[in-house]
Amino acid sequence: DIQMTQSPASLSASLGETVTIECLASEDIYSNLAWYQQKPGKSPQVLIYDVSRLQDGVPSRFSGSESGTQYSLEINSLQSEDAATYFCQQHHDYPWTFGGGTKLELK
Amino acid sequence: QVTLKESGPGILQPSQTLSLTCTFSGFSLSIYGMGVGWIRQPSGKGLEWLANIWWDDDKYYSPSLKNRLTISKDTSNNQAFLKITNVDTTDTATYYCTRIRKTYYGFNVMDAWGQGGSVTVSS
Repeated sequence: DIQMTQSPASLSASLGETVTIECLASEDIYSNLAWYQQKPGKSPQVLIYDVSRLQDGVPSRFSGSESGTQYSLEINSLQSEDAATYFCQQHHDYPWTFGGGTKLELK
Repeated sequence: QVTLKESGPGILQPSQTLSLTCTFSGFSLSIYGMGVGWIRQPSGKGLEWLANIWWDDDKYYSPSLKNRLTISKDTSNNQAFLKITNVDTTDTATYYCTRIRKTYYGFNVMDAWGQGGSVTVSS
């Protein structure tokens, strides 16, 4: 199975700040990566797919990138509504696997 | 607008079979590139992929549960199903069904999720 090591597990940031969440794949996943946001009590929703493509309706302050087997989600100008848990997910090979999640708290 | 909704028994006893239904609208599972996936999430924990079924009836299962899982679909009624046999308390979780579509570049994305159905296994 492909392991997705996500970091940090949690972080706290202030409104207006920029944060970066990373996922390291245990092997090459050839850009088959998506990011999901999950708010408390809600189902996950896709933010970014194909590494860097924004899902319709997602603010442009979210962006994704890759460097080798490391994938990053950057959130600029943090807003209060960004408080959530974020997951990366690879779909290069079965079984599809998720990162462990990053809980983002706003100060 | 794509919507999905999970339904199931809510509570069941160990060793029973869990049967989940995903009823969806806004897309058809008979169209090239479309799929439905099942994901679960124990309370306070991460996401675990379970199974996918595709428009051409291709099916994929999590190896850790493969012998216990069966995914199927009813295209004419816009439903997908997941069965898990011989459940135990570790199967207690919220179960989500998702729409999977092929992106422009041929990748996949789970771009719509149901609200989730809670399943508790308890004696």
